[in-house]
Amino acid sequence: GAVVSQHPSWVICKSGTSVKIECRSLDFQATTMFWYRQFPKQSLMLMATSNEGSKATYEQGVEKDKFLINHASLTLSTLTVTSAHPEDSSFYICSASQVSNQPQHFGDGTRLSIL
Amino acid sequence: GDSVTQMEGPVTLSEEAFLTINCTYTATGYPSLFWYVQYPGEGLQLLLKATKADDKGSNKGFEATYRKETTSFHLEKGSVQVSDSAVYFCALSFSGGYNKLIFGAGTRLAVHP
Repeated sequence: GAVVSQHPSWVICKSGTSVKIECRSLDFQATTMFWYRQFPKQSLMLMATSNEGSKATYEQGVEKDKFLINHASLTLSTLTVTSAHPEDSSFYICSASQVSNQPQHFGDGTRLSIL
Repeated sequence: GDSVTQMEGPVTLSEEAFLTINCTYTATGYPSLFWYVQYPGEGLQLLLKATKADDKGSNKGFEATYRKETTSFHLEKGSVQVSDSAVYFCALSFSGGYNKLIFGAGTRLAVHP
């Protein structure tokens, strides 16, 4: 149980395009979803926390107009990297929890490469 | 600010060797502490946790004890297997235990037959 699916697992696109990453909770309803970014050989850095039906809360230094997060249902959150540039290349990981103080269940991540 | 420091990897061991991965933390209060494991090509999985001082978390032969006096949460296993090869992340959290996880940099473990 508690499976989180992330899609796509790998995406390569040209600079200037926008990329959407989906995070789905397959067998539970996720009130809260988290988006992390992981640089090579570095830790996961929390980008934002989203609660279903409300605006995401972004961490300091994360551009909310650059990284658009939508959590429109209890099983789906999306992260859109707008006008992506090579410096946005990274590994993006989502997690989901049923309620905010319950364990986070992680997706397998999305490797984003911007050419 | 709050942070987690892990020993640098990679850690390379032979099968059945003893494992220790060091983790220390800096926090303004009394956080909950976690170890997560990331197998190749997969997401993170919670391995074990401890929510207060002197608690010992254990799972799959791994264990770690919450040491407030040394602000540490070292991961240990008595006899590692090849299947334990993965990246291990130490993390802390406030707000009820699971919100806003702060991760260490991760330690890669490679176990050889």
